[in-house]
Amino acid sequence: EIVLTQSPGTLSLSPGERATLSCRASQSVSSNLVWYQQKPGQAPRLLIYDASNRATGIPGRFSGSGSGTDFTLTISSLEPEDFAVYYCQQRSNWPLTFGQGTKVEIK
Amino acid sequence: EVHLLESGGDLVQPGGSLRLSCAASGFTFSNYAMTWVRQAPGKGLEWVSTISGRGDRTYYADSVKGRFTISRDNSKNTLSLQMNSLRAEDTAEYYCAKARSGFSTYDYWGQGTLVTVSS
Repeated sequence: EIVLTQSPGTLSLSPGERATLSCRASQSVSSNLVWYQQKPGQAPRLLIYDASNRATGIPGRFSGSGSGTDFTLTISSLEPEDFAVYYCQQRSNWPLTFGQGTKVEIK
Repeated sequence: EVHLLESGGDLVQPGGSLRLSCAASGFTFSNYAMTWVRQAPGKGLEWVSTISGRGDRTYYADSVKGRFTISRDNSKNTLSLQMNSLRAEDTAEYYCAKARSGFSTYDYWGQGTLVTVSS
């Protein structure tokens, strides 16, 4: 099973700041890495697929990068609605696995 | 517009059974793989099971293999999860989700149904 480790656990930032979230895989997943956003009481929302492709309707301030074992989700300038929990998910091997999440909170 | 609506969540005793359903609309259901993902209270996301569009391929997490069965009825646009031998650790919000393409990137999610396993 591929283990995904997200860091940091919590990111405290102010609106307008840049957020950089990390996801590290225990073995190579190539570019088979997905990012989701989840707000309290809501279902997850697809942000980025195949490491760097924005999903339909996702604002340009969200970007993904990386391949192999190291991946980054960047939010260039935080908007109030971006404060949420972010999960990475690998789709390289079964079983599919998620990281434990990074919470982006208002500082 | 894609819409997924889960139902069937309930309070059930350990060892009991429950069947979850997910009603889909707004897309050609048989063309897409579907999945169940769960989230224990206050915890992260855990993949549970995935089924192909035609229903001929299924995948399970080790934690539910042999106890849960995923199925679909393409004539009724419905996804199901039969859950047997339930344990306390199965307590979670269960989400159904539609694959974007292939099997394992999920672009639409339902709002979830809560399963509580407790005596």
